[in-house]
Amino acid sequence: DTAVSQTPKYLVTQMGNDKSIKCEQNLGHDTMYWYKQDSKKFLKIMFSYNNKELIINETVPNRFSPKSPDKAHLNLHINSLELGDSAVYFCASSPGTPSYNEQFFGPGTRLTVL
Amino acid sequence: RKEVEQDPGPFNVPEGATVAFNCTYSNSASQSFFWYRQDCRKEPKLLMSVYSSGNEDGRFTAQLNRASQYISLLIRDSKLSDSATYLCVVNMRAGNMLTFGGGTRLMVKP
Repeated sequence: DTAVSQTPKYLVTQMGNDKSIKCEQNLGHDTMYWYKQDSKKFLKIMFSYNNKELIINETVPNRFSPKSPDKAHLNLHINSLELGDSAVYFCASSPGTPSYNEQFFGPGTRLTVL
Repeated sequence: RKEVEQDPGPFNVPEGATVAFNCTYSNSASQSFFWYRQDCRKEPKLLMSVYSSGNEDGRFTAQLNRASQYISLLIRDSKLSDSATYLCVVNMRAGNMLTFGGGTRLMVKP
């Protein structure tokens, strides 16, 4: 009965590889997000989708490509991984307008690029 | 200047103490404010929203000062289980995007 789930929980890979992280929410929310939390613990928005449509795309390298097959899923694909991509990636969801609604976070995916 | 700024701490306090955190934000047009809590190696979770008139939830009190652009969180009668990082969160821009502060770490000791 997990609300927001992510797979995998840990991901260790070599520079230059391509990897994907999957996110699913069973809360019936319309909006989903990807955040990156770096080693200094700053949590930064990367993407936001509302009903499968991209509504926020912060300045991230185009090696990062989100995909939302339906409003319950938001996946993140990363091409040509770099050392600086090492971080914890959190998926989140909210019922609607994020300003006024709580965001529910998944457990995070800890990515280590060697 | 960072968009949302917090003292990273750590704040080390004994059980039962009262502790207060402040957070400043740069955009005077910000409309929504929150405190989230993040335990070590876990995801952030909403602690409480912050309303203009201030609000209280049990041992936790949040205040907003729009004139000075800061938000505060007061924790009374600290428990060991309050040990965590507290994240100040603000709606900074049009498009309703939330911006997180770097967090303030609290350690409550027996």
